[in-house]
Amino acid sequence: DAKTTQPTSMDCAEGRAANLPCNHSTISGNEYVYWYRQIHSQGPQYIIHGLKNNETNEMASLIITEDRKSSTLILPHATLRDTAVYYCIVGDGGSQGNLIFGKGTKLSVKP
Amino acid sequence: GAVVSQHPSWVICKSGTSVKIECRSLDFQATTMFWYRQFPKQSLMLMATSNEGSKATYEQGVEKDKFLINHASLTLSTLTVTSAHPEDSSFYICSARDRSSPLHFGNGTRLTVT
Repeated sequence: DAKTTQPTSMDCAEGRAANLPCNHSTISGNEYVYWYRQIHSQGPQYIIHGLKNNETNEMASLIITEDRKSSTLILPHATLRDTAVYYCIVGDGGSQGNLIFGKGTKLSVKP
Repeated sequence: GAVVSQHPSWVICKSGTSVKIECRSLDFQATTMFWYRQFPKQSLMLMATSNEGSKATYEQGVEKDKFLINHASLTLSTLTVTSAHPEDSSFYICSARDRSSPLHFGNGTRLTVT
């Protein structure tokens, strides 16, 4: 079973920041938080991941709470092309480990 | 970055025939690849772990004789759906990891069995 809880759906206005929350209260010390997104009929796309520090890349920012029990993915300026299902996943980051997908959050960016 | 290529992107086959799907790591070697299946409006479900040079590891409820996996090289894993039936129609996705990098996914194969 997935170890994360996410809202089923969210809306965001184009050009505004999209903040997607994720709860992972049972995360263990060696587990990372990964975010992927899946646009309709495509494979999942890697966005970002982190262990305990906040992370930023060209796609998004990841804010992890100090107790690591929750995190937020931030898309700073959402566009219509960011409409997708966003998956928050915890995993140990090992070279052989697979990832277990939950149901994710369906983000709809509206004009 | 790591690129995973899947082929074909879609396939239609008749009931009772077999279909092979290829998954390639284009710019890295992958000793392990993963195969997922996704039904409409559902999340990805792990089917099996493909190990280079050894037998695949299947998840509970996945028939190993129906979903044949071959990982003959460090850059190629294949999934063969044998004696396909309409209920096997689904979106099949592979993934692989380059050393300690995050998992990267192929673009999936839409299988329709008529």
